[in-house]
Amino acid sequence: GESVGLHLPTLSVQEGDNSIINCAYSNSASDYFIWYKQESGKGPQFIIDIRSNMDKRQGQRVTVLLNKTVKHLSLQIAATQPGDSAVYFCAEKGDYKLSFGAGTTVTVRA
Amino acid sequence: DSGVTQTPKHLITATGQRVTLRCSPRSGDLSVYWYQQSLDQGLQFLIQYYNGEERAKGNILERFSAQQFPDLHSELNLSSLELGDSALYFCASSARTDNEQFFGPGTRLTVL
Repeated sequence: GESVGLHLPTLSVQEGDNSIINCAYSNSASDYFIWYKQESGKGPQFIIDIRSNMDKRQGQRVTVLLNKTVKHLSLQIAATQPGDSAVYFCAEKGDYKLSFGAGTTVTVRA
Repeated sequence: DSGVTQTPKHLITATGQRVTLRCSPRSGDLSVYWYQQSLDQGLQFLIQYYNGEERAKGNILERFSAQQFPDLHSELNLSSLELGDSALYFCASSARTDNEQFFGPGTRLTVL
């Protein structure tokens, strides 16, 4: 069956450094991928998405890279700030539903 | 604030009981999705409604059911509750089934 997973459950990063969060997926038929951020006590919040016909998409301080050859998705956060501390989920979209990975907890050190 | 509202925020009940969780989607959104988030299972898709009709089903137990009303709000009914049903339940909405989903703040259910 399909699965979406993250490589590391936790990531500690120094404030100001760049963060890279990785995700592997197994369903090669998925054509839409999303990164969500979930802060403590809140619901997931959309960060950025990418369709399978692209390999890179940039937002404000964030970049998503998609490598369909190895079924790998990554989220890069530039100049990480304390407010970036949260759990980050990758998700793939197929048949109207989102399948989420387990999440990576990012902690920003001052 | 995503524009999606959920009530109640917290719910504590006993095993065997039945509860109803309520969700109001963003204004204009026709699709409503329900998710369960637990520590051991992560975020799991339960069910989706589009303009009042069931569109997709995920890992939803037979003890659980949902519906979407003409005003587009949705309710998730959980019955014969078990300890393992304790979790955060999120509702999300989107304008169409293919669009970005906006999540509500969730309802934390505790079954004692």
